[in-house]
Amino acid sequence: SQTIHQWPATLVQPVGSPLSLECTVEGTSNPNLYWYRQAAGRGLQLLFYSVGIGQISSEVPQNLSASRPQDRQFILSSKKLLLSDSGFYLCAWTRFDGREGYTFGSGTRLTVV
Amino acid sequence: AQTVTQSQPEMSVQEAETVTLSCTYDTSESDYYLFWYKQPPSRQMILVIRQEAYKQQNATENRFSVNFQKAAKSFSLKISDSQLGDAAMYFCAYRSGFSNFGNEKLTFGTGTRLTIIP
Repeated sequence: SQTIHQWPATLVQPVGSPLSLECTVEGTSNPNLYWYRQAAGRGLQLLFYSVGIGQISSEVPQNLSASRPQDRQFILSSKKLLLSDSGFYLCAWTRFDGREGYTFGSGTRLTVV
Repeated sequence: AQTVTQSQPEMSVQEAETVTLSCTYDTSESDYYLFWYKQPPSRQMILVIRQEAYKQQNATENRFSVNFQKAAKSFSLKISDSQLGDAAMYFCAYRSGFSNFGNEKLTFGTGTRLTIIP
């Protein structure tokens, strides 16, 4: 069976520090991968998605970047965090056609102080 | 671009009663998928039910069912025999049916917070 792992679960970082959130999927190959952000009391905003190694599409210009160094690994990064980067970050995966729905990781709560 | 609208920020229902959550969407496509996700206090996103636009029959999963009205672009979720564990945020989501680079993303509504009254 397929599983998705996301870490860390919580993170408190000072403004201006770097960020690296990691997401890995097991039990499948060539998944579509996504990073979403959820601000407090709001819906989910798509940040990045990837349909293959090295293929990254950005939905929202911002302080963040994403990379996919391996087939089942998706990394969200920042060189210098802003207060506005605080939020709940969710990684998700789906098969290439997405028919069965998206499976989400357990999320990372990021607080920038 | 597709948009998903959930016009009910909050809903409440008595335990064991039935509640319906509303969702409308805007698209020019004929082939797409619709989903309802549940987000309990743990914030884990859990797939509740899915509907394929080309299927006339409304999807059902145990106590959860949908009323899919394609012409009206409406996709409501009905929860029967509500239980305390159903308390959560519920998100409606849309995905294009065309597997093409750029169309694979899931677009979410803003959510409905459901409270179950014991």
